[in-house]
Amino acid sequence: DAKTTQPPSMDCAEGRAANLPCNHSTISGNEYVYWYRQIHSQGPQYIIHGLKNNETNEMASLIITEDRKSSTLILPHATLRDTAVYYCIVRVEGGRRALTFGSGTRLQVQP
Amino acid sequence: GAVVSQHPSWVICKSGTSVKIECRSLDFQATTMFWYRQFPKQSLMLMATSNEGSKATYEQGVEKDKFLINHASLTLSTLTVTSAHPEDSSFYICSARETGAQETQYFGPGTRLLVL
Repeated sequence: DAKTTQPPSMDCAEGRAANLPCNHSTISGNEYVYWYRQIHSQGPQYIIHGLKNNETNEMASLIITEDRKSSTLILPHATLRDTAVYYCIVRVEGGRRALTFGSGTRLQVQP
Repeated sequence: GAVVSQHPSWVICKSGTSVKIECRSLDFQATTMFWYRQFPKQSLMLMATSNEGSKATYEQGVEKDKFLINHASLTLSTLTVTSAHPEDSSFYICSARETGAQETQYFGPGTRLLVL
């Protein structure tokens, strides 16, 4: 799986959009970008994933650059409950191996 | 969405005792489940891959005789920490992969183990 790089921490004001970047410059053509988050003392929660097109669901939007070397997870209206560690993971869809977690970005939503 | 449960959610035990943690996929079948461990302020580290009806595959550095994994059905995997010691105190998280088109990995809520 391709390596990802994320900033260790970010702050965001409640009600504003949170934009979390991820670099994955060595991504292969058949690798997807997955985002999970982990709220304190809970198991990780799946957010969204995509290959090359932008994706949106009820939780977030995923913007992938045209060269696919980076992506941004967007939480359109961050709430205090969005405070968590966000993990960007690159892997082949349907891969049999377990997800590998890096350090992630600790997002603190401020009131 | 797919739900994975773990039991117990937390456990305190004495050093030398064994602790069993259950991981269940509630509304889907999971041929494969994964067990992770997370120490404070660290990321999740994969311990082993549990396959239904066969032996688990352990990551390098994880003692298979200490961390016994049984995956007896398509909805249940158990992790037994044998002869637990204080250094085994950690947050244990399981996940299950739903077999299908996307095979997204879903995670349980975790089990916090404290060994005294």
